[in-house]
Amino acid sequence: GESVGLHLPTLSVQEGDNSIINCAYSNSASDYFIWYKQESGKGPQFIIDIRSNMDKRQGQRVTVLLNKTVKHLSLQIAATQPGDSAVYFCAESPLKQAGTALIFGKGTTLSVSS
Amino acid sequence: DAGITQSPRHKVTETGTPVTLRCHQTENHRYMYWYRQDPGHGLRLIHYSYGVKDTDKGEVSDGYSVSRSKTEDFLLTLESATSSQTSVYFCAISESGQGNGYTFGSGTRLTVV
Repeated sequence: GESVGLHLPTLSVQEGDNSIINCAYSNSASDYFIWYKQESGKGPQFIIDIRSNMDKRQGQRVTVLLNKTVKHLSLQIAATQPGDSAVYFCAESPLKQAGTALIFGKGTTLSVSS
Repeated sequence: DAGITQSPRHKVTETGTPVTLRCHQTENHRYMYWYRQDPGHGLRLIHYSYGVKDTDKGEVSDGYSVSRSKTEDFLLTLESATSSQTSVYFCAISESGQGNGYTFGSGTRLTVV
């Protein structure tokens, strides 16, 4: 698989590889995190979320890891497929502050070649 | 996207003209948001609403106003459009406003010439 240690705007992988997309969040008070996928011409679509009382959460082919010590979030996509090609955004929010909107990262464009 | 509709999908307008974008939801969610999306900046919050007639500013609210007279509609108005407001605008809805993901509309591509 291929990963990025720091946030990079683009990531290119081969079909079948595992992909890791990283995100550094800014607010130490944030305790709820979400990954979104945005395909060309569409709005962002929810993928998976995690709360700060967890370090890892798994979905279907996706896993989110949270490292609160270094304020780092990652999205792992197993067996990446061409349909996974999209822009991926992380978002953060402080649960304890009612009404506070999600803050989004700048996004990583994932390109999957077959 | 299910339950949320943005209109128009595309608009070209001239500098200095007022423009209103509409977001309509059928989910009866309390919270609604307007974001703009620009290359290199990701999604930035313009305004949001936490109930009918209850709104608040976001990160990039200058030059924009909003209104929410009904639960289902959230309007974004550019008082006097400028070229810097050329962008893709996304509306989002949320049931509780915290601890939940948002559902986004399909976006409005606005070009100010």
